[in-house]
Amino acid sequence: DAKTTQPTSMDCAEGRAANLPCNHSTISGNEYVYWYRQIHSQGPQYIIHGLKNNETNEMASLIITEDRKSSTLILPHATLRDTAVYYCIVRALESGKLIFGQGTELSVKP
Amino acid sequence: GAGVSQSPSNKVTEKGKDVELRCDPISGHTALYWYRQRLGQGLEFLIYFQGNSAPDKSGLPSDRFSAERTGESVSTLTIQRTQQEDSAVYLCASSWTGRESPLHFGNGTRLTVT
Repeated sequence: DAKTTQPTSMDCAEGRAANLPCNHSTISGNEYVYWYRQIHSQGPQYIIHGLKNNETNEMASLIITEDRKSSTLILPHATLRDTAVYYCIVRALESGKLIFGQGTELSVKP
Repeated sequence: GAGVSQSPSNKVTEKGKDVELRCDPISGHTALYWYRQRLGQGLEFLIYFQGNSAPDKSGLPSDRFSAERTGESVSTLTIQRTQQEDSAVYLCASSWTGRESPLHFGNGTRLTVT
């Protein structure tokens, strides 16, 4: 599975949009981009995933560049409860499993 | 509906003892995964079951670690002769058959080896 690169940490003001970047320059054509988050002392929570089109659900939006070498997770109106570690993962369908990196620690501040 | 359930939530054991950790996946999920997360670290993949296929054991760190799954239901992760470096949170996840299907995680078992 392709490797991803994320900033170690980010801050965001409460009520503002949080934009979390991820680089995956070695992604292959059959690999999806997944985003998860982990709040302290809990298991990871699925957020969203996509292949090449932009995706939106009730939690977030996922913007994937046309060359698929990077993506951005957008939390449109961050709240204090969005403070968590956010993981960007590239997953090949044939491998099944998810390989987690170190993620981005997002701190939402009042 | 019920999510992935893991038991016990906490386990303290003495070095050298064997431990069994249990995972009840979401009903109907055919794939089941075990991960380990040491304090302050990311998730390490351990093992993956998919239906009747041979499990992917590529992440198991040593032969002291093993896992079983009964059909498409409960799984047990066994650690024999525990060591202090086995102290971690052990997380289980499950998903539907389709390989695109996202994994849904339990809240883990916190294992402390004294």
